[in-house]
Amino acid sequence: DAKTTQPTSMDCAEGRAANLPCNHSTISGNEYVYWYRQIHSQGPQYIIHGLKNNETNEMASLIITEDRKSSTLILPHATLRDTAVYYCIVYNAGGTSYGKLTFGQGTILTVHP
Amino acid sequence: GAGVSQSPSNKVTEKGKDVELRCDPISGHTALYWYRQSLGQGLEFLIYFQGNSAPDKSGLPSDRFSAERTGGSVSTLTIQRTQQEDSAVYLCASSRGRQSSYEQYFGPGTRLTVT
Repeated sequence: DAKTTQPTSMDCAEGRAANLPCNHSTISGNEYVYWYRQIHSQGPQYIIHGLKNNETNEMASLIITEDRKSSTLILPHATLRDTAVYYCIVYNAGGTSYGKLTFGQGTILTVHP
Repeated sequence: GAGVSQSPSNKVTEKGKDVELRCDPISGHTALYWYRQSLGQGLEFLIYFQGNSAPDKSGLPSDRFSAERTGGSVSTLTIQRTQQEDSAVYLCASSRGRQSSYEQYFGPGTRLTVT
């Protein structure tokens, strides 16, 4: 599976949009981009995923560049409860990785009042 | 509905003892995963079950680690002769099936401390 690069940490003011970048320049054509987050002392939580089109759900939006080498997770109106470590993962669900999600170090997002 | 549950939530054991960690996946989820997270580290994949079989055991860190799943539901992770480096949070996750393996639902984890 392709590797990802994320900033170590980011800050965001409550109520503002949080834009979390991820580089995945070696992504292959059948790999999707997935985002998870882990709030302190909890297990990771799935947020959103996409292949090449932009995606939106009740939690976030995912913007993937046309060349698919990078993406941005957008939390439109961040709250204090969004403070967490955010992981960007590239993965081929139909491949032979047998569910092996590779979590990197992620981005620590801190939302301030 | 009920999520993934794990027990115990905390376990303190002496070096050299065996421990068993339990995972109850979401009802109907056929795929089950074990990860561990050491202090300040990312998540490390250990093993995956599809039904009762584990096609890939290569993530288990040593032969002291084993896992089984019975009845396509509950899974136990056993660590024999525990060492201090085994101290970590052990997380279990489940998904509807292999094709939905990207959307894994995680339990709260078992914090294992080996003294």
